[in-house]
Amino acid sequence: GDSVTQMEGPVTLSEEAFLTINCTYTATGYPSLFWYVQYPGEGLQLLLKATKADDKGSNKGFEATYRKETTSFHLEKGSVQVSDSAVYFCALSADAAGNKLTFGGGTRVLVKP
Amino acid sequence: GAGVSQSPRYKVAKRGQDVALRCDPISGHVSLFWYQQALGQGPEFLTYFQNEAQLDKSGLPSDRFFAERPEGSVSTLKIQRTQQEDSAVYLCASTVERDPYNEQFFGPGTRLTVL
Repeated sequence: GDSVTQMEGPVTLSEEAFLTINCTYTATGYPSLFWYVQYPGEGLQLLLKATKADDKGSNKGFEATYRKETTSFHLEKGSVQVSDSAVYFCALSADAAGNKLTFGGGTRVLVKP
Repeated sequence: GAGVSQSPRYKVAKRGQDVALRCDPISGHVSLFWYQQALGQGPEFLTYFQNEAQLDKSGLPSDRFFAERPEGSVSTLKIQRTQQEDSAVYLCASTVERDPYNEQFFGPGTRLTVL
């Protein structure tokens, strides 16, 4: 079945450091790929998305590129801030009609001043 | 505008009790999803509605779990004879039917603790 694997946390960084969170997936067909973020005390919210190979999703300084050849969707940010401290979830949707999301286990990121 | 709301936010149940969790999706959103998130893990799909039709219930872990959306708006997830392994955060999400990017809007969740 479909699955998503992402690096385990916690990841602890200093402010202005470079962040990478690895995500790989297994799916039939051509899934859409997502990164969701959960800030402390808040609900899940979409951070960025990509719907086909070589697409790059970006938002709030974060980027991720849909790599079909390596089945990956790694999240990157060049200079993190304390406010980026959160749990990040990689997810896929393998149904083009817009169906269920399959999530990775989440990666907790802590940015220290 | 109002987002997805869920109630109660917290629920403590004794083992064997029945519980009912409510979800109010964003107005006009046709599709509604339920997920279960165990502590320290990612959400796992439970069931999916399009309007009042339950199109996928493959993620429901046992026949103790039941979901309904009788008028195509508010949904209720019911768990009968709760067990300790049912302790988790239950998330509801809704989406516009024809959104090609399938952005799901999540509620804050209901944290269920079974003693």
